[in-house]
Amino acid sequence: EPEVTQTPSHQVTQMGQEVILRCVPISNHLYFYWYRQILGQKVEFLVSFYNNEISEKSEIFDDQFSVERPDGSNFTLKIRSTKLEDSAMYFCASIERLMGPDEKLFFGSGTQLSVL
Amino acid sequence: KNQVEQSPQSLIILEGKNCTLQCNYTVSPFSNLRWYKQDTGRGPVSLTIMTFSENTKSNGRYTATLDADTKQSSLHITASQLSDSASYICVVSSGGGYNKLIFGAGTRLAVHP
Repeated sequence: EPEVTQTPSHQVTQMGQEVILRCVPISNHLYFYWYRQILGQKVEFLVSFYNNEISEKSEIFDDQFSVERPDGSNFTLKIRSTKLEDSAMYFCASIERLMGPDEKLFFGSGTQLSVL
Repeated sequence: KNQVEQSPQSLIILEGKNCTLQCNYTVSPFSNLRWYKQDTGRGPVSLTIMTFSENTKSNGRYTATLDADTKQSSLHITASQLSDSASYICVVSSGGGYNKLIFGAGTRLAVHP
């Protein structure tokens, strides 16, 4: 089965530093997402991206966050100045198209971000 | 407020036994309900997707049920295997966009030999 690939699997950074989390969605997918999961808590939606622009974002996705699709394959999440509370597992997800309720959302394995 | 509640929070069963996980939701409007399996340190993997009109859906040893009237769903695992040890997450979609997925906290299942 096709996979969403995320790198790195673990990232440790100092508070206030910038981090970039990288994702390679499945090649024919058109819609991309970032979610996060703080340890022991529920998965939370951050942002959705389609046609090279943000289509929806949550309250969590403030000015410190940005997303980019710099080329035809990569999809990145940048946190400009990390805070302790940004420590979480960040999941990238993609889907081929939105039509039909049976469309499967494919998740990557996640990047565990630890802010010290 | 849109919410998805799962029970039990954790469960231990012996290999070969069956188990049933519960999901109650208060999500409106309702589009579909999904069960995901999440291995430790991995991303969620889709098991089943059910729309309003579907009562049951199977995927191998996994069978999901949906009662849209009572807003309850269950995931039944038959003849459990050690590899079934994982978190099982109930996710309800409110509307067509994946920004509208409401995640439950999951049930952590441990299958012991």
